[in-house]
Order: sequence, then C-alpha cells, then structure tokens
Amino acid sequence: QSVLTQPPSASGTPGQRVTISCSGSSSNIGSNYVYWHQQLPGTAPKFLIYRNNQRPSGVPDRFSGSKSGTSASLAISGLRSEDEADYYCAAWDDSLSGWVFGGGTKLTVL
Amino acid sequence: QITLKESGPTLLKPTQTLTLTCTFSGFSLSTSGVGVGWIRQPPGKALEWLALIYWDDDKRYSPSLKSRLTITKDTSKNQVVLTMTNMDPVDTATYYCAHIDDNSGGFAYWGQGTLVTVSS
Repeated sequence: QSVLTQPPSASGTPGQRVTISCSGSSSNIGSNYVYWHQQLPGTAPKFLIYRNNQRPSGVPDRFSGSKSGTSASLAISGLRSEDEADYYCAAWDDSLSGWVFGGGTKLTVL
Repeated sequence: QITLKESGPTLLKPTQTLTLTCTFSGFSLSTSGVGVGWIRQPPGKALEWLALIYWDDDKRYSPSLKSRLTITKDTSKNQVVLTMTNMDPVDTATYYCAHIDDNSGGFAYWGQGTLVTVSS
C-alpha cells in the first residue's frame, strides 16, 4: 500500500482534458514539492513535472501540475493516444526521511 | 548528456545477497547537490524508493528495508553500488537507478532498469 494515494485508472477520449489526483499528508505533499513521472509500457519512468508545476524541457505544455494542501493533481489537455501510460506522483516525506511514490494511475485513451 | 545504466545478476536464490551497480556518465557525484537513488518496481506494481546517496556521502534508506540495504559510491569510477541482503521472491522486480540534483529536486534521469528474479 503506497503512502501517496492515486486512482488506479483514468480515461479520456482524444482531445479531452483529464486530471489525475495524488493525495498525501502533512509530512509529504503538505510540506514538500510534488513530482510526476510518466511510464510508457515496457519503459523506464520519465520525468514529467517537478516542484509541483514545472515542466522539464521537452515536455509539452499540455501537461501541467498543481498542488493544494496535502493533495496534488496532474492535468493533461488535448489528450493524445501516445499519452496512454502509467503516471506516478512522488514526494519527499519528512517523517520517513525518504521518498514516497503513489500507487500509479493507468491512463487509457479511448 | 546524462545517462545511467544498471548491471547485476538477473537470477538469485532466496537468502542470497543482491549486488547492483549503477554506472553513469554526464555528471559527477562529487558535485554539490547531486545524488543517485535506487527505485524498484515489482512486475505489474508501483514504484518503490529504496535508497539514495548524495555527493557528500549522505545516505538515506527506505525505513522498511533499511536493515537489508547498503548504498555506496565510487566517484572515480562513476558508479553507485546497492546491496540487498536476504533476498526473497517478493523482491523480484525491475531495479532502477536515477539521478537527482538541486536543480530539479527530483529523479530527473533514469536508467533503463534491470529485472532481478528471486526463485529457488
């Protein structure tokens, strides 16, 4: 059972906007930055969002992140078939003195 | 260009010790703010952080696995080594190493991963 809670699945049709939530606590999301990774089938995770809402170079602006209190969200607008992947949130946890990940959300593009 | 690559055994028997090596290029582990971490992923399951070592040799471990893990670095060889003792079939997973630094704050670059199977 993961420290950060994500919905196991999400879906949308091409062109739609979808959001994926990540719920934590005061010791992780509530007091530290949130990071998001995209994992395409059979590949290593890819850095998608850092420090709550920053995009690394090369990540399309269709991807955006936000944080409020002890929860965070990843939004994907203009959904495309190549966005079909698993998405993971992560944060440092002060109580555990370590990194914690969410359980992952499998995004299906219908 | 930052790259990382994991190497080690693909098959272990229960109770054996796993030793994984992360060989990297494009950065130095003697640079302030830089670290290398290990994360694993059992087949079909979520990512799990294991350990992290920083440029100043500060080490952090997952509390649930701390007693079984050791992380070390060899700056001259650009390598980070993770050992995990008393391996069990539940430790079967793809093991990744990843780069972290003060610029991004997170695991920005990942190796391709190596699948380790524990079976008698």
